[in-house]
Amino acid sequence: DTAVSQTPKYLVTQMGNDKSIKCEQNLGHDTMYWYKQDSKKFLKIMFSYNNKELIINETVPNRFSPKSPDKAHLNLHINSLELGDSAVYFCASSLTAGGGTDTQYFGPGTRLTVL
Amino acid sequence: LAKTTQPISMDSYEGQEVNITCSHNNIATNDYITWYQQFPSQGPRFIIQGYKTKVTNEVASLFIPADRKSSTLSLPRVSLSDTAVYYCLLLRDSSASKIIFGSGTRLSIRP
Repeated sequence: DTAVSQTPKYLVTQMGNDKSIKCEQNLGHDTMYWYKQDSKKFLKIMFSYNNKELIINETVPNRFSPKSPDKAHLNLHINSLELGDSAVYFCASSLTAGGGTDTQYFGPGTRLTVL
Repeated sequence: LAKTTQPISMDSYEGQEVNITCSHNNIATNDYITWYQQFPSQGPRFIIQGYKTKVTNEVASLFIPADRKSSTLSLPRVSLSDTAVYYCLLLRDSSASKIIFGSGTRLSIRP
């Protein structure tokens, strides 16, 4: 059973398009995250939701909008895609939002390529 | 959050013990030393976490000196499948946990 799943695994699209990446976790966790890993392999947090409420919102362009229909899902919608958005996007979840001892479980990643 | 410093890359051979050291001179009292592993084309995976002294699990050991200004991840008898990037992180025991990943250590294991 996949703990944190993402779809699609690969996404190739043209500049200016709008696309969504879906994430689901079956761990019963309260908190979910989106991370971006760029070509230099740096992994940076973008957003975090706890029980469908936004709790972390890093400096991310307004073109990125996370949506959490329920605590098991956190989708990422990106408007007007730009070349610089090309990266691997990872979804993650943790049992709670508090505490450095709370292990985060990552999904397999979605490789987005903007042409 | 305090910064960590670790080697950019390391090479070793199958069957060897590998030790990756991480420096964190400005570690705070409520920071936990945590290591994640990332295989190519996969998301990071939690390996081990500790506060002080030594922690051991089925994957690795973590050695933390009394001053906590550094830590060493020890991988016993590595295999080719241990080739990955290893991240040393300081996670604060407070609300809204946020992981800040550095560049990590790229470990390459050779036959």
